[in-house]
Amino acid sequence: DAMVIQNPRYQVTQFGKPVTLSCSQTLNHNVMYWYQQKSSQAPKLLFHYYDKDFNNEADTPDNFQSRRPNTSFCFLDIRSPGLGDAAMYLCATASVGANVLTFGAGSRLTVL
Amino acid sequence: GDSVTQMEGPVTLSEEAFLTINCTYTATGYPSLFWYVQYPGEGLQLLLKATKADDKGSNKGFEATYRKETTSFHLEKGSVQVSDSAVYFCALTPFTGGGNKLTFGTGTQLKVEL
Repeated sequence: DAMVIQNPRYQVTQFGKPVTLSCSQTLNHNVMYWYQQKSSQAPKLLFHYYDKDFNNEADTPDNFQSRRPNTSFCFLDIRSPGLGDAAMYLCATASVGANVLTFGAGSRLTVL
Repeated sequence: GDSVTQMEGPVTLSEEAFLTINCTYTATGYPSLFWYVQYPGEGLQLLLKATKADDKGSNKGFEATYRKETTSFHLEKGSVQVSDSAVYFCALTPFTGGGNKLTFGTGTQLKVEL
């Protein structure tokens, strides 16, 4: 089945230790998104790619970076995680012109 | 900017009770409206959508009607089940610009008890 897969599902890191979360998709969608969802809050868009074009949200901290080496894969890098970065990170994909996003199951990050 | 406001939870209901979760929005033009559901430990899944005024989205017994005059998209189900326990998010995408970018409400947790 075509889907969006996120790895790892659970990640524990230490304060300041870099973390990379991955997202892969078999849907061949042009657009990929990264959302941050903190406990009991709405998912917040960090950035998205339209093909290789990177679009950062204005309030996304510099601590968060992303890479999209090809259509299928997208990575979220957190350079120096703080306690406030503990959250669920959601990857989503969409076709250009379609208004429905397909989400992965999420990666839950814990910062000790 | 665009925003979505949902009723706060948790909402606790007995099985077979009627469900309403209120959602109102602020947006320019004619946004598309969505309900997403998040089951425990999982990502978000599209539940239903409506793309123009007076459209009714429906799925799995849930339905919501796009009301432009009241800028609302309330979620309803006639008879809930324990398996409906989840967090429900109302969301919108703008009509023009912003591509597929979703703006979410804060979510409403639903607990259904036997």
